[in-house]
Amino acid sequence: NAGVMQNPRHLVRRRGQEARLRCSPMKGHSHVYWYRQLPEEGLKFMVYLQKENIIDESGMPKERFSAEFPKEGPSILRIQQVVRGDSAAYFCASSPGPTVGQYFGPGTRLTVT
Amino acid sequence: AQSVTQLGSHVSVSEGALVLLRCNYSSSVPPYLFWYVQYPNQGLQLLLKYTTGATLVKGINGFEAEFKKSETSFHLTKPSAHMSDAAEYFCAVSDDNQGGKLIFGQGTELSVKP
Repeated sequence: NAGVMQNPRHLVRRRGQEARLRCSPMKGHSHVYWYRQLPEEGLKFMVYLQKENIIDESGMPKERFSAEFPKEGPSILRIQQVVRGDSAAYFCASSPGPTVGQYFGPGTRLTVT
Repeated sequence: AQSVTQLGSHVSVSEGALVLLRCNYSSSVPPYLFWYVQYPNQGLQLLLKYTTGATLVKGINGFEAEFKKSETSFHLTKPSAHMSDAAEYFCAVSDDNQGGKLIFGQGTELSVKP
C-alpha cells in the first residue's frame, strides 16, 4: 500500500510568487490534514479537510493561504504571494477517521528566496 | 484548550540504556494521545496511540507508553536504546471535539551514544 504522497518534496519560490503543494492521501483515507513545521516553533495544525469540504481551518493564516480537497485528485495547499516567513516544511497527513491516528507524508520543504 | 508539554528538548542516553521521554497534556475531555517519531528530513511516523481501554500501550520498535490520567501524563519508554532510535519524538493530543486535529508538543531530540 502506498503511503501518503506529497509533491514536490522541495520547492523554491521567489518572494511574491505562488506555491502549490500537493497531497495524495493513503488509499481509503478521506480525512486530510495539513501541518506546518517552522524552525523553533514545532508542528502546527493548519487545516482539516474531507472530500470537497473544509472542516476546520482554524490554523490557517487569514490571508494568502487556501486549501482544497476536490472530489477527484489530490489535496492542494496554495500559498499566494509568498514571503520569506513562509519558508518551512509542510506536512500532509491522512486518516480513515478523525480519532484513529494520522499517517504523514514526507513533507514539502518550501524555501522562499 | 488542549496543550502538550514535553519535558526536555534534548535527551541523551547510552546504547542499551533505558529511554524515557516525558509528555504531559492538558485536556478538558478524555484525550486521545499519540507519539510520533521523525527522522531527519522525513515525515512523522506513528509509534503508538492511546484512545480507550488499556492504559499501557505498546508500539513499534519496542516502545511503549502509559496513560496516567491522575498525572495527566503519557511518557514514552523503551527498555534498551539502540543507535537507530536517535531521532526527534513528538507527543500529540486530540479529542472527539477537535475532529482529529493534533496538538503537538515541542518535540524531544533523542541522542544515543555508543
